Amino acid sequence: EAQVTQNPRYLITVTGKKLTVTCSQNMNHEYMSWYRQDPGLGLRQIYYSMNVEVTDKGDVPEGYKVSRKEKRNFPLILESPSPNQTSLYFCASSPRQGYGYTFGSGTRLTVV
Amino acid sequence: AQSVTQPDIHITVSEGASLELRCNYSYGATPYLFWYVQSPGQGLQLLLKYFSGDTLVQGIKGFEAEFKRSQSSFNLRKPSVHWSDAAEYFCARKDLGTYKYIFGTGTRLKVLA
Repeated sequence: EAQVTQNPRYLITVTGKKLTVTCSQNMNHEYMSWYRQDPGLGLRQIYYSMNVEVTDKGDVPEGYKVSRKEKRNFPLILESPSPNQTSLYFCASSPRQGYGYTFGSGTRLTVV
Repeated sequence: AQSVTQPDIHITVSEGASLELRCNYSYGATPYLFWYVQSPGQGLQLLLKYFSGDTLVQGIKGFEAEFKRSQSSFNLRKPSVHWSDAAEYFCARKDLGTYKYIFGTGTRLKVLA
């Protein structure tokens, strides 16, 4: 089944403890992206990747890192999480420009 | 800066009634335009997209959208709503030459039995 898989689905962590949210797609898509969703703000793009080893900042990149060492994987790294990063995170992939996204099921992160 | 506006935060319709969800995009060349649906606890699912050609676009689940350049709008419609359509709907844009997608803030649809 074609899909984007995120793990974990739920995560509660403490301020400052480094964490990684994994994202993997099995559709050979070139383009991948991370979003956070907050009430009243819609989805905001954190980082995106056009292909392996090519990444760029979205609208809200502060406090996040990404890497794209393989085409299928695009992990999101929070080096020192803070409470304002409590949010619902989505990974998404697309075959190329202009095509719509396939979204993962989301990761609900709580930083206390 | 380019933007997408969904003026209605909440909409309530009766089952079987018609539906129109509004989406306006800001200035610039015609972007790629999308509608997504998010059911509770789920990720977003693509309903339909538009870039060029026929301005009336058909999507999945019986939805359609019409692009109107003169009004900078891309409204989503459905002739007869089903209870299972209750969800949040997002309009999005992507401009040529960029990799950035911009989402609206969403419209939450409630369907009355």
